[in-house]
Amino acid sequence: SSELTQDPAVSVALGQTVRITCQGDSLRNSYATWYQQKPGQAPVLVIYGKNNRPTGIPDRFSGSSSGNTASLTITGAQAEDEADYYCNSRDSSGNHLIFGGGTKLTVL
Amino acid sequence: EVQVLESGGGLVQPGGSLRLSCVASGFTVSTYAMSWVRQAPGKGLEWVSGISGRGGITYYADSVKGRFTISRDNSKNTLHLQMSSLRAEDTAVYYCAKDYVSFSGWFDYWGQGTLVTVSS
Repeated sequence: SSELTQDPAVSVALGQTVRITCQGDSLRNSYATWYQQKPGQAPVLVIYGKNNRPTGIPDRFSGSSSGNTASLTITGAQAEDEADYYCNSRDSSGNHLIFGGGTKLTVL
Repeated sequence: EVQVLESGGGLVQPGGSLRLSCVASGFTVSTYAMSWVRQAPGKGLEWVSGISGRGGITYYADSVKGRFTISRDNSKNTLHLQMSSLRAEDTAVYYCAKDYVSFSGWFDYWGQGTLVTVSS
């Protein structure tokens, strides 16, 4: 299929570890890319490729993949990590990019 | 410093047309893949269209194919999105995004977006 599925909402206690997942057939052949979006702001790239962080992204953010599921892990979540998180990848044709529906992360 | 700045959004009637522009600075648009990504009010991100780097191959989401055209003006270092036959469901903030490498979806720079409202 050409869809990426994410849980609509996830919560984590301050300082704890949280995993946000993204499922889709396209992820069997390509890595997911992850974005963070805070209200009223443009998305920010946080993970790309196998597990790469752009300059300025804290190392508490990491990515992994298994089968058709990609995961974004935040180890020691901070209050400022509260945001919407989106995954994306190319679809199986390679001619389209697809986004997951997004996960709203709440830090308690 | 790399920046992209969108413009051209506004209110348009159903069936109308609009052209969005994205001026880039700090890099050359002709050597990087670029895309337009939109976000309807209160909704998630949706990729709309992309153009590859040097080859200029264009890509479109099924929802806009045949109605939208992506192009770039290398002399002005600008990306455009010509939108026609607009529908209410095209209402969204439209972001211009630079791809880190080829047509990968690794968008390392985004503009702040321009709002398109399709309504009578």
